[in-house]
Amino acid sequence: EVQLVESGGGLVKPGGSLTISCAASGFTFNNYNMNWVRQAPGKGLEWVSSITSSSGYIYYADSVKGRFTISRDNAKNSLYLQMNSLRAEDTAVYYCARAGVPAAIVGSHFDYWGQGTLVIVSS
Amino acid sequence: DIQMTQSPSSLSASVGDRVTITCRASQAISNYLAWFQQKPGKAPKSLIYAASSLQSGVPSKFSGSGSGTDFTLTISSLQPEDFATYYCQQYNSYPYTFGQGTKLEIK
Repeated sequence: EVQLVESGGGLVKPGGSLTISCAASGFTFNNYNMNWVRQAPGKGLEWVSSITSSSGYIYYADSVKGRFTISRDNAKNSLYLQMNSLRAEDTAVYYCARAGVPAAIVGSHFDYWGQGTLVIVSS
Repeated sequence: DIQMTQSPSSLSASVGDRVTITCRASQAISNYLAWFQQKPGKAPKSLIYAASSLQSGVPSKFSGSGSGTDFTLTISSLQPEDFATYYCQQYNSYPYTFGQGTKLEIK
């Protein structure tokens, strides 16, 4: 059974940093591109970042570029999002999501999602 | 960036009804279009990918169609568990973008 479990969310002050994690199980992690998507309270879904299976290609939304860093450790079956210079507008539930096609070279949909971890940026 | 526009933003329907939600892309995205269902406090759930392919385990009451810029999600014979918010998403090019969501409520 595919499982994605996010952790590391919490309360952080504006300008602060936080790293959230996503532990994957039930599939061959190093075969799949991975993604982060966030959802501000009461709002819609916003794609944040994607990383290919071997970390060869990385993409960011303009809203986080230069502040967030996506990474993965295939030996630990884990995905990370390091968030720096956090702003109030980064407050959201952060979901990790698996690409639906293994070793996707072109765009792939998201098939499995974690339950999310809440990040609150407030003084 | 490709803008995704869903209509309607909200929809009231009754159990047993058939409903259709529309998603329009600001430029052609071939069939790189997915649909998700989200219930309050829960993670999104994949329903449809490649515009019309049903995700494994999703009942056939859900169907998708379209290509290029115009897409639809149809849900037949609504049941209480189908009342939720639905999102479309394009994955043709980065940045991936979502529609604003359609809230399906019980009439």
